[in-house]
Amino acid sequence: DQQVKQNSPSLSVQEGRISILNCDYTNSMFDYFLWYKKYPAEGPTFLISISSIKDKNEDGRFTVFLNKSAKHLSLHIVPSQPGDSAVYFCAASGGNEKLTFGTGTRLTIIP
Amino acid sequence: DAGITQSPRHKVTETGTPVTLRCHQTENHRYMYWYRQDPGHGLRLIHYSYGVKDTDKGEVSDGYSVSRSKTEDFLLTLESATSSQTSVYFCATRQDITEAFFGQGTRLTVV
Repeated sequence: DQQVKQNSPSLSVQEGRISILNCDYTNSMFDYFLWYKKYPAEGPTFLISISSIKDKNEDGRFTVFLNKSAKHLSLHIVPSQPGDSAVYFCAASGGNEKLTFGTGTRLTIIP
Repeated sequence: DAGITQSPRHKVTETGTPVTLRCHQTENHRYMYWYRQDPGHGLRLIHYSYGVKDTDKGEVSDGYSVSRSKTEDFLLTLESATSSQTSVYFCATRQDITEAFFGQGTRLTVV
């Protein structure tokens, strides 16, 4: 049972435009959400997070939005740059120490 | 980034042999995790630890065991490796319920 879902395996975006990556979850106990970026042959690196008491968190070009009623979060990258091409994972935790990841979305930025 | 070292980085082993992967951290983080990454499945939690000698199962724990005798080391053992355990394995650490930091990964091939 996939509790964290990323329904788009891949996404292509023109350089300079906005990239929007989506994530859905099913477990209502989740109260902390994270986004990670992964390059080939490297470990995932933390990008940005959001607590369930907020609905938005910004860090430079990255903004995460949380819609608790829809059990949906999204990551916006503005403007998109070639170095943003990577696989992005969303993750969630709540109620215990487990950190559950989605299946990932491969983002390709087209120059 | 937390100082996380995974060893070995690459390993090829034969079906039926035991294999142990090591994760070593220098940050004194309380929580440690083992994930495997496979195409179409994202990052799946195998086992995790919330303290010395305190471990619990993740979503894909069958065929794996773990041990944590010291804060800094978390060992993942495949008692009898199978081809389905060919994967990339990532260790992660976390001090509290915030972001986790990942190692560089171990690519394991079971032939």
